[in-house]
Amino acid sequence: EDKVVQSPLSLVVHEGDTVTLNCSYEVTNFRSLLWYKQEKKAPTFLFMLTSSGIEKKSGRLSSILDKKELSSILNITATQTGDSAIYLCALFMEYGNKLVFGAGTILRVKS
Amino acid sequence: NAGVTQTPKFRVLKTGQSMTLLCAQDMNHEYMYWYRQDPGMGLRLIHYSVGEGTTAKGEVPDGYNVSRLKKQNFLLGLESAAPSQTSVYFCASRRLRITNTGELFFGEGSRLTVL
Repeated sequence: EDKVVQSPLSLVVHEGDTVTLNCSYEVTNFRSLLWYKQEKKAPTFLFMLTSSGIEKKSGRLSSILDKKELSSILNITATQTGDSAIYLCALFMEYGNKLVFGAGTILRVKS
Repeated sequence: NAGVTQTPKFRVLKTGQSMTLLCAQDMNHEYMYWYRQDPGMGLRLIHYSVGEGTTAKGEVPDGYNVSRLKKQNFLLGLESAAPSQTSVYFCASRRLRITNTGELFFGEGSRLTVL
């Protein structure tokens, strides 16, 4: 069974803190690893990673894939209350044309 | 530009009733998916379709049926609803591309409660 594990399951931080969210997986036959942010409704796309060691950045968010460690991290610096959301990690598999999601990390940023 | 639209957004059913969730996309995407989201379990794939007239099972297909009679629509049916099917259902779509990297476009979700 394809497995994606995210940690922590939830965390609470204060505005201005830096957070690191983890995503680990047990398979190697995937095309890409994706991060999504889910606020109240639909997940929205953040990053897509295909190559190990190359950081993707968007404002205060950044992400990197480590294929040796079978993991990826999502960093958020100078957190704001608007960063409060569920962050989902997913693998786009080589076979089956589908994404396999982790359980998500619930982030709450307190003002 | 509507993107992916799901109807209904909310529904309450009694055990044993049937219903259909409709997903419509206006992006001419080939692939469409139905996921369910439960607390602590992320998004789990129910069924998906790689084109008009085709469907395939995902991780949790039992108790659900789907149809893709038109390219823009993907229907999810519950023939005899059970309380275990209480969940939030998300439809998603993506384009067929050689360099496809998996980005999905999601609808806003349909919250289903089975009493």
